[in-house]
Amino acid sequence: KAGVTQTPRYLIKTRGQQVTLSCSPISGHRSVSWYQQTPGQGLQFLFEYFSETQRNKGNFPGRFSGRQFSNSRSEMNVSTLELGDSALYLCASSSRGSGNTGELFFGEGSRLTVL
Amino acid sequence: TQLLEQSPQFLSIQEGENLTVYCNSSSVFSSLQWYRQEPGEGPVLLVTVVTGGEVKKLKRLTFQFGDARKDSSLHITAAQPGDTGLYLCAGTYSGAGSYQLTFGKGTKLSVIP
Repeated sequence: KAGVTQTPRYLIKTRGQQVTLSCSPISGHRSVSWYQQTPGQGLQFLFEYFSETQRNKGNFPGRFSGRQFSNSRSEMNVSTLELGDSALYLCASSSRGSGNTGELFFGEGSRLTVL
Repeated sequence: TQLLEQSPQFLSIQEGENLTVYCNSSSVFSSLQWYRQEPGEGPVLLVTVVTGGEVKKLKRLTFQFGDARKDSSLHITAAQPGDTGLYLCAGTYSGAGSYQLTFGKGTKLSVIP
């Protein structure tokens, strides 16, 4: 079956702009998580959605937001971009419901560069 | 905030050598996963361990979960160039958001032919 698809793969923005990233999970997966990956901080958890509800949120400012649609596709938005937002943004889907040891299936990521 | 430390940060070895990478936390894990990430790709799950003292083998890779569930190790026997990549451990903690995986910063492994 098709894997997790993220679009766009690469994008360049300037400070102050906003960006929207999209993630299509594996068919049947209702959980979608977002992570930010940078060389200095590694993978940091942004948020997780399950059945259109945000179940958990990481330690990021309110400029970072997300949502999930009824078909489980998810988007994340970053407003008022800063240079430090340059990173690889990874989306992961999972079939896990109430448990927390399910495998995460990651997409290839969206690489954002802020100039 | 839970902190998960991995060591070493970088490792460069010759093909055929053995190696061990470590993952440590001051808190008890509910479960722990190991992922491998290759350049330009997302991480891929290698194993999940949930029981203290558990040992799992995946071909030349051996994963061990500490008895106290605060640490884990990954041992690779006779490393091959195809093992090159970023190895990440990720844990879930009791009491934390049940759906949040905390990742270590990873060990970047290079296996030289």
